[in-house]
Amino acid sequence: DAGITQSPRHKVTETGTPVTLRCHQTENHRYMYWYRQDPGHGLRLIHYSYGVKDTDKGEVSDGYSVSRSKTEDFLLTLESATSSQTSVYFCAISRGDTQYFGPGTRLTVL
Amino acid sequence: SQQGEEDPQALSIQEGENATMNCSYKTSINNLQWYRQNSGRGLVHLILIRSNEREKHSGRLRVTLDTSKKSSSLLITASRAADTASYFCATDYNNAGNMLTFGGGTRLMVKP
Repeated sequence: DAGITQSPRHKVTETGTPVTLRCHQTENHRYMYWYRQDPGHGLRLIHYSYGVKDTDKGEVSDGYSVSRSKTEDFLLTLESATSSQTSVYFCAISRGDTQYFGPGTRLTVL
Repeated sequence: SQQGEEDPQALSIQEGENATMNCSYKTSINNLQWYRQNSGRGLVHLILIRSNEREKHSGRLRVTLDTSKKSSSLLITASRAADTASYFCATDYNNAGNMLTFGGGTRLMVKP
């Protein structure tokens, strides 16, 4: 357990609304990641962070933005949610070569 | 995408049998890792094998790596019903940022 929490755990929203998901860690890890998981696609990297205010894009970054103003918090924002962003979102931290995952947020966009 | 691919996509066995899952990838790697995911939960790291290693063991898990074939296998011996889960391989493609690329997973069902 790497002390990772995600909030909210479940969210239903409507197309066009902004949504922010929060990832919080308690162990001061430098690297943090946001993934989405969809049937048949495994996990795909959305964005990652390598320090406060240092972020970069992953494989599926379109439609998403991130922010990291404190070491412990990594926020994922959907500026205008679309139905294609219905998914399960996982946050992770890196400890050495290994990643440790949060419990996930199930997001449904109607 | 440089995603690894797992084979089979689904596997159903009886308790006590061995389960073998395979992963293929496309380019050179630093290491390859296997993760497990129980339904509705986050992924949990199982084992890591580096590019200069050929085999690694952890409890009932045995991982092999063949860099010439760009493939890995995960063997779970004497399976238990509690091993029922999805298993993912993840590769480190020498990128900065400790980034991993995950495959689509193998769904394992172990029947009591």
